[in-house]
Amino acid sequence: LAKTTQPISMDSYEGQEVNITCSHNNIATNDYITWYQQFPSQGPRFIIQGYKTKVTNEVASLFIPADRKSSTLSLPRVSLSDTAVYYCLVGDMDNQGGKLIFGQGTELSVKP
Amino acid sequence: NAGVTQTPKFRILKIGQSMTLQCTQDMNHNYMYWYRQDPGMGLKLIYYSVGAGITDKGEVPNGYNVSRSTTEDFPLRLELAAPSQTSVYFCAVQGASPASPLHFGNGTRLTVT
Repeated sequence: LAKTTQPISMDSYEGQEVNITCSHNNIATNDYITWYQQFPSQGPRFIIQGYKTKVTNEVASLFIPADRKSSTLSLPRVSLSDTAVYYCLVGDMDNQGGKLIFGQGTELSVKP
Repeated sequence: NAGVTQTPKFRILKIGQSMTLQCTQDMNHNYMYWYRQDPGMGLKLIYYSVGAGITDKGEVPNGYNVSRSTTEDFPLRLELAAPSQTSVYFCAVQGASPASPLHFGNGTRLTVT
């Protein structure tokens, strides 16, 4: 499974766009990329998922370059409530239920 | 539809005691996982299961045991509690469709003193 590397922490201000990049240099052909958000004292929750190019939903966008060795989670116009830890996870599309290993995550702090 | 239910929410154990952390799901998903999260740290995989009767070790299995007799339940057993097992434990489930995301429970906060 591809190992992931993210910045440990990031700071932002309300209303700004935040981009968090995750490196996964040894990603395999069948691997997909999923991002999770975790608030204190809660389990992580799914934000967005993609395989290649760009994916957008109501809360975020995910940009994946052609070589897929990295991915960028983009949060538009963050608010204080977006302060959380964000994890990227690489998993095998053809082998569900595999050994899913989380990286260290990025602690995002949004200031007023 | 409760999703993933973990019990208890909190527990304090003395060194050497044993306990079982319960995880029950009503999503009919085959894949289940146990993670631990130490204060200020990321998630570490303890054990996982791809279906009833099948379990496998994750990154940090020492000191823990699991069983999976039904699709719904995936209990985590601590036999001889140690202070190093003080952590928050999360159970997660995953569906069988390709790239199905993980759904987490609300966690069990365990303190061993």
